[in-house]
Amino acid sequence: GENVEQHPSTLSVQEGDSAVIKCTYSDSASNYFPWYKQELGKRPQLIIDIRSNVGEKKDQRIAVTLNKTAKHFSLHITETQPEDSAVYFCANPTGGQNFVFGPGTRLSVLP
Amino acid sequence: GAVVSQHPSRVICKSGTSVKIECRSLDFQATTMFWYRQFPKKSLMLMATSNEGSKATYEQGVEKDKFLINHASLTLSTLTVTSAHPEDSSFYICSAATWAGANVLTFGAGSRLTVL
Repeated sequence: GENVEQHPSTLSVQEGDSAVIKCTYSDSASNYFPWYKQELGKRPQLIIDIRSNVGEKKDQRIAVTLNKTAKHFSLHITETQPEDSAVYFCANPTGGQNFVFGPGTRLSVLP
Repeated sequence: GAVVSQHPSRVICKSGTSVKIECRSLDFQATTMFWYRQFPKKSLMLMATSNEGSKATYEQGVEKDKFLINHASLTLSTLTVTSAHPEDSSFYICSAATWAGANVLTFGAGSRLTVL
């Protein structure tokens, strides 16, 4: 079945620095690549996504880059703030309507 | 945007009782909803796919008689944990997909179940 991995599993950065989380997937037919942010005890929320026809998408301090050849996409957060502290999940569609989620990356932004 | 409402947010029950969790799509119709279970500091594990008007599709290892799913309308899916035991204590989250060039998932707020 579809395999989705994330690296690193935990990440600590100083406030104002950048954070990068990488997601690798196995299904070469995938064409949609989302990132979700989940704060403690809350629902996962879509923060950015990218389709396979583009290589990069940016939304203010958040960006996602896609390398379809290597089958990975990355989340980039610049000028990190304490409220960016959360668990971030990448996901990959399975071919139906469902998604396989990565194991998550716990980001801590230190003041 | 799409909104998914999930209730209750927290429930505490005694061992042996049943608990029902509701998942509603508020401003769109969802022919398919998904139910996940999330353990502390872990990822989302798909339990079942809920299809309106038909039987749910359960993932391997998920007991269908334990976790009853009903999707009787285009806006409501329910998960009933039957004869709950302490090991069923967990965070349960539902989601629904909307189409925006690709299937985009919107999640409910989750339900924390504690079985005493």
